[in-house]
Amino acid sequence: GNSVTQMEGPVTLSEEAFLTINCTYTATGYPSLFWYVQYPGEGLQLLLKATKADDKGSNKGFEATYRKETTSFHLEKGSVQVSDSAVYFCALSDQAAGNKLTFGGGTRVLVKP
Amino acid sequence: NAGVMQNPRHLVRRRGQEARLRCSPMKGHSHVYWYRQLPEEGLKFMVYLQKENIIDESGMPKERFSAEFPKEGPSILRIQQVVRGDSAAYFCASSPGTGSSYNSPLHFGNGTRLTVT
Repeated sequence: GNSVTQMEGPVTLSEEAFLTINCTYTATGYPSLFWYVQYPGEGLQLLLKATKADDKGSNKGFEATYRKETTSFHLEKGSVQVSDSAVYFCALSDQAAGNKLTFGGGTRVLVKP
Repeated sequence: NAGVMQNPRHLVRRRGQEARLRCSPMKGHSHVYWYRQLPEEGLKFMVYLQKENIIDESGMPKERFSAEFPKEGPSILRIQQVVRGDSAAYFCASSPGTGSSYNSPLHFGNGTRLTVT
């Protein structure tokens, strides 16, 4: 079956630091990959996505590249802000599972001023 | 342009009572998904519905939990005889469900936080 593994948090950073959150996956087919962000007390918002190998998703300064050879989709941001404090979820869906998303366990990020 | 609407935002029930959680998908979306998030954990898939049909309920507990998405009105997740272990955030998501839907992102509501006392 499908699974997603992401680094455990919490990750604590200073403002303007570089952020990396590792994500690897296992899938039977050719999945689409997503990063979602959850701010306190809210639902999940799509941050970025990539639908095929070597695609790069980007949004709000965040980037992630779909690496089929390493089955990874690591999230990066060059200079974080306090407002980036949130929980980040890596997820995948594949055609065999319809549009059902399989999520990683989430990584809490705390950015200090 | 309303997104996915869930209500109530917070729900408190005593053990043994019933909990009803409602979800109205985004306009034009015909597919609804329910997920559960336990404290400090990720989201676990529960059930996937289209109008009047349950497509995939592989994540639903076998007892006490049921879901429906009628022709008219919101999708309902129903938990009978709640226990403390049911305390969690329940999120609904929707998608258009057309074409290559598997690479279309799901749109999530803000969740219902259920507390069982």
